[in-house]
Amino acid sequence: NAGVTQTPKFQVLKTGQSMTLQCAQDMNHNSMYWYRQDPGMGLRLIYYSASEGTTDKGEVPNGYNVSRLNKREFSLRLESAAPSQTSVYFCASRETGEQFFGPGTRLTVL
Amino acid sequence: AQSVSQHNHHVILSEAASLELGCNYSYGGTVNLFWYVQYPGQHLQLLLKYFSGDPLVKGIKGFEAEFIKSKFSFNLRKPSVQWSDTAEYFCAVNAWDTGRRALTFGSGTRLQVQP
Repeated sequence: NAGVTQTPKFQVLKTGQSMTLQCAQDMNHNSMYWYRQDPGMGLRLIYYSASEGTTDKGEVPNGYNVSRLNKREFSLRLESAAPSQTSVYFCASRETGEQFFGPGTRLTVL
Repeated sequence: AQSVSQHNHHVILSEAASLELGCNYSYGGTVNLFWYVQYPGQHLQLLLKYFSGDPLVKGIKGFEAEFIKSKFSFNLRKPSVQWSDTAEYFCAVNAWDTGRRALTFGSGTRLQVQP
């Protein structure tokens, strides 16, 4: 099992550009999550999906959209990137109990 | 909404010293509690978790945590740290009866163990 995978690992964008962060899990989990990690702030929930076909906003959803493409995949889209979105983005999945995290995407917006 | 406080932002210890990292949460209902560790350049890994039962929970790598419901606390402990424990540690809470299954994280504690 690969667990939770994310692509890309690193990305540099210019202000106003768009991009999609990809996440996939092979553990057959229903729930999937997107977090951002900023220094001194821990992880903050952007969006989550309790099951295929459903998505809900977390603490910091502004500037982001998500798609739960199927049970395995949950993508995060930045339509018009801003410097405030410079962060490390983690995807996670969960069935019962703990959440399993992907390796992260380090995004810099210039 | 629940919140999690980790009061120690940066801790520096010598090898073999004992460790205790504080974690307090604010939610009066049923909670699940977690400690995650993030080694430099890596993703988060679960150290231990508490769902119910014995409030003293043992995790991997010699870590343990004690849930004290009256104090809304879930402190992480290790009797003797090693250089390889240098990492960032996150406490997290899931307020089970809110229906939301996402975790709320504390701001993290950076542990530096000096050889």
